[in-house]
Amino acid sequence: GENVEQHPSTLSVQEGDSAVIKCTYSDSASNYFPWYKQELGKGPQLIIDIRSNVGEKKDQRIAVTLNKTAKHFSLHITETQPEDSAVYFCAAPFPNFGNEKLTFGTGTRLTIIP
Amino acid sequence: DAMVIQNPRYQVTQFGKPVTLSCSQTLNHNVMYWYQQKSSQAPKLLFHYYDKDFNNEADTPDNFQSRRPNTSFCFLDIRSPGLGDAAMYLCATSKGRLVTQETQYFGPGTRLLVL
Repeated sequence: GENVEQHPSTLSVQEGDSAVIKCTYSDSASNYFPWYKQELGKGPQLIIDIRSNVGEKKDQRIAVTLNKTAKHFSLHITETQPEDSAVYFCAAPFPNFGNEKLTFGTGTRLTIIP
Repeated sequence: DAMVIQNPRYQVTQFGKPVTLSCSQTLNHNVMYWYQQKSSQAPKLLFHYYDKDFNNEADTPDNFQSRRPNTSFCFLDIRSPGLGDAAMYLCATSKGRLVTQETQYFGPGTRLLVL
């Protein structure tokens, strides 16, 4: 099955600086990589995703990059703001299970320091 | 607003006393998922329904059961909760079963405490 590793587990960034979170995956057949943001007391929410036919996708201050050769993908948040403080999870599908379920990384707790 | 609703938000039960967690959705999605999330860990899929088709994960304990009486509602039953079952339980929905095509929408979760 798919194995997803996520680093770092915690990250503190000065407001206005950039934050980068990296995930690696094991199954080269995986072709879809979402990122979820989980705020305190809430369920995870999809913030951005990328498919394996592109190397980068941007949405305002967030971007995701994908390196299929190295089997890793990263979340980039620029000009960080206090509301970016949350736990972020990467995920990848299980191709061997018909892409019917996701496996999640272990999460990164991002703290933005005002 | 269309959404995924979980009740209750907090549930306290006693060791061995059956408990039921509830999830409802107004999205009219075909797929409903139950995840268990322990402190500082990733969500772990317990099972999911595609319509009435139930799919249990191989490592989900028999102590956990689920019911989906209709499209809108799905229940998680824990028959004999142990201390190790204390966790956040997340319900999610998606329109279709391919996670590569369909976004999963999560509810706010129910935090279960076992005394």
